[in-house]
Amino acid sequence: DQQVKQNSPSLSVQEGRISILNCDYTNSMFDYFLWYKKYPAEGPTFLISISSIKDKNEDGRFTVFLNKSAKHLSLHIVPSQPGDSAVYFCAASAGYGGATNKLIFGTGTLLAVQP
Amino acid sequence: DGGITQSPKYLFRKEGQNVTLSCEQNLNHDAMYWYRQDPGQGLRLIYYSQIVNDFQKGDIAEGYSVSREKKESFPLTVTSAQKNPTAFYLCASSIGGGVESYGYTFGSGTRLTVV
Repeated sequence: DQQVKQNSPSLSVQEGRISILNCDYTNSMFDYFLWYKKYPAEGPTFLISISSIKDKNEDGRFTVFLNKSAKHLSLHIVPSQPGDSAVYFCAASAGYGGATNKLIFGTGTLLAVQP
Repeated sequence: DGGITQSPKYLFRKEGQNVTLSCEQNLNHDAMYWYRQDPGQGLRLIYYSQIVNDFQKGDIAEGYSVSREKKESFPLTVTSAQKNPTAFYLCASSIGGGVESYGYTFGSGTRLTVV
């Protein structure tokens, strides 16, 4: 049972426009969410995170929005750049600040930013 | 420079053989994880360890074994019992006791191919 879902396997965007990547989750115990970026044959790198006490977190061109009632989060990249082309993974964890921090990952979305 | 080192980057295994993937970290992180990436399935947790000499099964532990004799090291053995071992394997570590702000630090991965 996939607890974290990224329903769009791929997304293509023009350079300079906004990229919106979506993620849905089913486990209401999740209270911390992260986005990772991954290039081929490399490990994922951390991008941005949000805890369940917030509904928005912004870091430069990247903003993550959390809608707890809908169990939905999204990553906005503005403006999109060709170097943003990568696979983006959404991840969730239950027990923020607790004894466990096991992350559950989504299936990923391949973002292609066209010059 | 602190980080996680996975070796080798590429590994070929004959059917019926066991093979061990190395993962070493010098971040002084307590927790370490092994994930497997397959196309269209995201990152799936194999095993994780929150402290030396202790580890737990993840979602797809069958056919794998691990050890955690040192804080810095978390090797993964892919045994002949693993029916479909060809995949990209990722090792990660975290501070432990909560995801903090940056979640996991990942290694660069090992591509295992059964020939």
